[in-house]
Amino acid sequence: DAKTTQPPSMDCAEGRAANLPCNHSTISGNEYVYWYRQIHSQGPQYIIHGLKNNETNEMASLIITEDRKSSTLILPHATLRDTAVYYCIVRDSYAGNNRKLIWGLGTSLAVNP
Amino acid sequence: EAGVVQSPRYKIIEKKQPVAFWCNPISGHNTLYWYLQNLGQGPELLIRYENEEAVDDSQLPKDRFSAERLKGVDSTLKIQPAELGDSAVYLCASSLGQGRDTQYFGPGTRLTVL
Repeated sequence: DAKTTQPPSMDCAEGRAANLPCNHSTISGNEYVYWYRQIHSQGPQYIIHGLKNNETNEMASLIITEDRKSSTLILPHATLRDTAVYYCIVRDSYAGNNRKLIWGLGTSLAVNP
Repeated sequence: EAGVVQSPRYKIIEKKQPVAFWCNPISGHNTLYWYLQNLGQGPELLIRYENEEAVDDSQLPKDRFSAERLKGVDSTLKIQPAELGDSAVYLCASSLGQGRDTQYFGPGTRLTVL
């Protein structure tokens, strides 16, 4: 089972910031939070990941709470091309070679003109 | 840099027929993954390779599914015989490996079994 909880859908106006929440209350100390997105009819696309500190790259920012039980992906200026399903994933605990990404249902983000 | 390449993009077959999917990972990526994605669901791992070794195939239905990664580069996933419930998108992904687990996905193969 997925170790994360996300809202099933969200809307955002074009040009505004999109803030996508994710709860991962059972995360353990050595588990990373990954974010991917999947545009319709395409394969998933890596966005960003983090462990404890906030992270930023050219696509997005990732804010992780101090207790690490939740995080928020921020798309600072959403465009129509950001319409996609966004997946928040906690990487399974390291156990030898068995490091899985367990995917949930994600959040379907609709960016509206 | 070329991404993960998959072929075919679409495949329609009748039940009980065999089908094969091909994946070419990003150059230099040691780890290769095959996922299955049903409509409205997240991807589910079928098998993971580290170089040519299958290190996690616990979710692969071995009675009808098989995979190989000869020489640790390209990979083929086969279904024989296909069933109606196998209709899904089959995704291939690759990563550098050795603890660097960011996965890069191909466009997938959409299989329809009639």
